[in-house]
Amino acid sequence: SAVISQKPSRDICQRGTSLTIQCQVDSQVTMMFWYRQQPGQSLTLIATANQGSEATYESGFVIDKFPISRPNLTFSTLTVSNLSPEDSSIYLCSVSQGVTYNEQFFGPGTRLTVL
Amino acid sequence: GQQVMQIPQYQHVQEGEDFTTYCNSSTTLSNIQWYKQRPGGHPVFLIQLVKSGEVKKQKRLTFQFGEAKKNSSLHITATQTTDVGTYFCAGLGGSNYQLIWGAGTKLIIKP
Repeated sequence: SAVISQKPSRDICQRGTSLTIQCQVDSQVTMMFWYRQQPGQSLTLIATANQGSEATYESGFVIDKFPISRPNLTFSTLTVSNLSPEDSSIYLCSVSQGVTYNEQFFGPGTRLTVL
Repeated sequence: GQQVMQIPQYQHVQEGEDFTTYCNSSTTLSNIQWYKQRPGGHPVFLIQLVKSGEVKKQKRLTFQFGEAKKNSSLHITATQTTDVGTYFCAGLGGSNYQLIWGAGTKLIIKP
């Protein structure tokens, strides 16, 4: 199984600013994903981070608001831009091997609070 | 769009009682995965079911995939405090071949 770290683990940000979350994996992986999870709720997929190309966004999520980078097979970043209180949530990075949705390993998450 | 319905939302049990959560999809799934999320933690993969009618066991946990590959269940026998958390199913399917997450069932042990 892959070991995933995320930075920061939590942050409190002001409205209108941006936060960049880093996801680092201890081995090369095929697929990397970014999720959002409200407390007590299920997971919502934001996008699939593609190595060397633009991320694939799910319905309701756009690149201007959630720019994603994936420069190599072990690292990705998610930026949440122009923050509003509605962006307060837990953001999770996950990884999977193979070309389809096999078992996913999740990072510890980043808890974002927007004031 | 495709949905995976998961029930119940919560289940309160006495320690030692059994626990079951059910997932039902509107369309046929390629596979279904189960995850456990402890309070304050992140989801942890438990198992993946692929075949129609498949049944898999992990100690006190029994996972089933329906014959039509539209429903699945997780049954825990004789719950322990270590079982506390939220159990999610995630079904793979749909025209976009996406992983669709259930809402989760929270297992609560009565004091």
